[in-house]
Amino acid sequence: NAGVTQTPKFQVLKTGQSMTLQCAQDMNHEYMSWYRQDPGMGLRLIHYSVGAGITDQGEVPNGYNVSRSTTEDFPLRLLSAAPSQTSVYFCASSYSNQGPKETQYFGPGTRLLVL
Amino acid sequence: GQQVMQIPQYQHVQEGEDFTTYCNSSTTLSNIQWYKQRPGGHPVFLIQLVKSGEVKKQKRLTFQFGEAKKNSSLHITATQTTDVGTYFCAAINNAGNMLTFGGGTRLMVKP
Repeated sequence: NAGVTQTPKFQVLKTGQSMTLQCAQDMNHEYMSWYRQDPGMGLRLIHYSVGAGITDQGEVPNGYNVSRSTTEDFPLRLLSAAPSQTSVYFCASSYSNQGPKETQYFGPGTRLLVL
Repeated sequence: GQQVMQIPQYQHVQEGEDFTTYCNSSTTLSNIQWYKQRPGGHPVFLIQLVKSGEVKKQKRLTFQFGEAKKNSSLHITATQTTDVGTYFCAAINNAGNMLTFGGGTRLMVKP
């Protein structure tokens, strides 16, 4: 199993550009989530999904969209990038569809710089 | 929303010294998870505590969950350079659908 994969590893955007961060897992996990990590602030939840076709907002959803058309994939879309979205983005998944009550498996992260 | 506060933010220790990080909440937690993130890496799950007063050990790491389930700690005995990284606690919100992470404690070990 590849586990949780994320692409790209690094990205530089100009303000106003849009892009999609890809996340995929091959463990048949129901729960998937996106976090952003900023220095000294830990990880903050952006969006999450408890299964295909179901998504919901986390703590900091503004400026981001998600979709979950398959169990495996959970892309994160930045609609119009802003410098405040410069961060490291982590995708995570866990087996249970009841939420994050089990081990969360994190992807390697995407480092995003918005100029 | 639910918040978990983690202290200290940073800790420098000499190799061989002990290290402890604390996680505190103003509300009762249903459970708590601990993660380790190496520099430049991603968070890796260490353990989950569920029961009041629970103590679990993994080699030199000891995890505790408070009797009131409002605090938790991670203690490392005789630190090694391989322990370097940031340690996060995370708690599930009341609805059970989100994890809230503490700010993390960054551990630096001098050889």
